[in-house]
Amino acid sequence: AQSVTQPDIHITVSEGASLELRCNYSYGATPYLFWYVQSPGQGLQLLLKYFSGDTLVQGIKGFEAEFKRSQSSFNLRKPSVHWSDAAEYFCAVGIPEYGNKLVFGAGTILRVKS
Amino acid sequence: GAVVSQHPSRVICKSGTSVKIECRSLDFQATTMFWYRQFPKQSLMLMATSNEGSKATYEQGVEKDKFLINHASLTLSTLTVTSAHPEDSSFYICSARPMGQRLNTEAFFGQGTRLTVV
Repeated sequence: AQSVTQPDIHITVSEGASLELRCNYSYGATPYLFWYVQSPGQGLQLLLKYFSGDTLVQGIKGFEAEFKRSQSSFNLRKPSVHWSDAAEYFCAVGIPEYGNKLVFGAGTILRVKS
Repeated sequence: GAVVSQHPSRVICKSGTSVKIECRSLDFQATTMFWYRQFPKQSLMLMATSNEGSKATYEQGVEKDKFLINHASLTLSTLTVTSAHPEDSSFYICSARPMGQRLNTEAFFGQGTRLTVV
C-alpha cells in the first residue's frame, strides 16, 4: 500500500537558518509528489510538486525540494527561514490509478525562533 | 490560480442533527472532487472521491450512509454529515481537480470547514 512518512513531528529553527523537512514514500512506480503548507484553521496551499523531469523542483516562498528515487525521498528545503514560515507542512503522494487521490504524511510542525 | 470555496467555514450543531458542507470550484469545472477529514494534530485522511453524475467512491472504514456526498454539477459537491455526534467533530476539507486535466494536475483545496457537534 502507498504510504508517506514524515519522521519529524516538530522542528524548531531560528529565523534566518536553513531548513530541511524530510519525506519518504512507499509506492511501486514513479509517484507524483507534493508539498503543502497549512496555517492553523486554514486549508492547504501548494508549495511545489514533482511529476517528472528535473529532480530539483522550485516552489513558492523560496522553497525547493529534491526527488531522490534511490532513497524514495522528497525532502523540502529553504535556505533562510522567515518567521512567517511557521506552519504545518504536509508531504503527499498522488496515486494516478485512483484518480490521483492524495496520500498524506502525518505532517511536520515548524516553529521559528526569533 | 484556481479557487475552491467551502461553506460554511465553521459550524456548530446539536447532536443528532444533519449538517451540509458545500464545496464549489469558482473559476473552473471539476469532474472529480475529494473530501478529506483532519483530526486535531493529525494528517488528512481521504474520505471519498466524488465524480460528477455518479456515486462517490468511499474509502475503507468510511460510512457512506453517514457521510452523504452529492456531486450534482461540475462546480459543486456537497458533504452531508447525517445524525451528527460529537465524535464527528473535525476539520473537513475538499479539493477539486479541473476537468479535462491529466491526472498529474494538482487538485486545488478549499479552506476547510470546522464542524463542532455539541
